Amino acid sequence: AQTVTQSQPEMSVQEAETVTLSCTYDTSESNYYLFWYKQPPSRQMILVIRQEAYKQQNATENRFSVNFQKAAKSFSLKISDSQLGDTAMYFCAFISIQGAQKLVFGQGTRLTINP
Amino acid sequence: DAGVTQSPTHLIKTRGQQVTLRCSPKSGHDTVSWYQQALGQGPQFIFQYYEEEERQRGNFPDRFSGHQFPNYSSELNVNALLLGDSALYLCASSGGTGFGTEAFFGQGTRLTVV
Repeated sequence: AQTVTQSQPEMSVQEAETVTLSCTYDTSESNYYLFWYKQPPSRQMILVIRQEAYKQQNATENRFSVNFQKAAKSFSLKISDSQLGDTAMYFCAFISIQGAQKLVFGQGTRLTINP
Repeated sequence: DAGVTQSPTHLIKTRGQQVTLRCSPKSGHDTVSWYQQALGQGPQFIFQYYEEEERQRGNFPDRFSGHQFPNYSSELNVNALLLGDSALYLCASSGGTGFGTEAFFGQGTRLTVV
């Protein structure tokens, strides 16, 4: 079974700083997708960024980028020029191409951006 | 586009009761998945519906059941409620095969069992 681990329960940085959230996962499959979701106090999960495992190039979405290390099964999220609106819970998630079509989430990292 | 809508937003039930939660998927989406998110935890997959049938199921007891209607909306039913069923229940919709495509989430239903 796939597992996703986020080892940082909480992080706090100053506005405009850069912050990196860590995620590791375990799978025996070679083809899958990885995601970072943001969950603000409004509770709605919002997709931040998506990475396809068979693509070597790291995904980038504006201020958000990932460092995908397939061999190490590591998938970290970097937020540049952090903003107050980035304050939220961040979840790393995995979905397999084969078998169960379900998102497997990590435990989450609570990120606080301070003014 | 209203996105994924869930109702009700909050609910308080007594142990042993039954509850029904509802979800309307994003326009154009035909796959609905349900997740349970306990306080301070990541969401856990309950089950997924596609073409009105349960396609996948997570590690949840039979007290958790669901349904998908011809218009793709879905219900989650929980029987014989336990205190441990208190959680945020999230509905996510996606198109077609689901994996790899973006899953859109609703704002969830906060269920409290007393």
